[in-house]
Amino acid sequence: GQQVMQIPQYQHVQEGEDFTTYCNSSTTLSNIQWYKQRPGGHPVFLIQLVKSGEVKKQKRLTFQFGEAKKNSSLHITATQTTDVGTYFCAGLSNSGYALNFGKGTSLLVTP
Amino acid sequence: DGGITQSPKYLFRKEGQNVTLSCEQNLNHDAMYWYRQDPGQGLRLIYYSQIVNDFQKGDIAEGYSVSREKKESFPLTVTSAQKNPTAFYLCANPTGPVANQPQHFGDGTRLSIL
Repeated sequence: GQQVMQIPQYQHVQEGEDFTTYCNSSTTLSNIQWYKQRPGGHPVFLIQLVKSGEVKKQKRLTFQFGEAKKNSSLHITATQTTDVGTYFCAGLSNSGYALNFGKGTSLLVTP
Repeated sequence: DGGITQSPKYLFRKEGQNVTLSCEQNLNHDAMYWYRQDPGQGLRLIYYSQIVNDFQKGDIAEGYSVSREKKESFPLTVTSAQKNPTAFYLCANPTGPVANQPQHFGDGTRLSIL
């Protein structure tokens, strides 16, 4: 079945450094979603990408969807301590009724 | 977040005991989902329901049961058959009418074994 893989599992950066997490699917995705979960909290939706090669920006966050719609990335420029959390990508499952989530990338930012 | 309410926030289960986690929504959405989250494992789908009186097993349904008697409610029972129930349980529903819409999550229930 479809799997969504994320790398790296963990990333520790100094405040001000950049950060990137990558998401790869074994099959073509109709869309891809990104979520952020703060420590002790629940996942919160960030963005959805639908089109091949799509790039979207939210302030310091840049999201990309690959041309083949099988991979995606999230890049954070000049990280801040408020960026701490786990970032998940998710794609629609083969059933068409649920999402398959990656295992997430946990980001730690030290001042 | 408004719209989905999970209770309790923390729950403890004794050996051989069934426990039920509550999920209520006031968004008038048809679909509801239950996920389990373990450290380093991401979110795994337990059960989902597309409409009242109908539900489907997800990837890890063994040891769990659900009901969907009302549109607003989708309770999850963790049965004694679930031998490793300690986890963070999240209820969600899509923000739109189709499953691939962004998911809106409740605050979750943390279940532990006594």
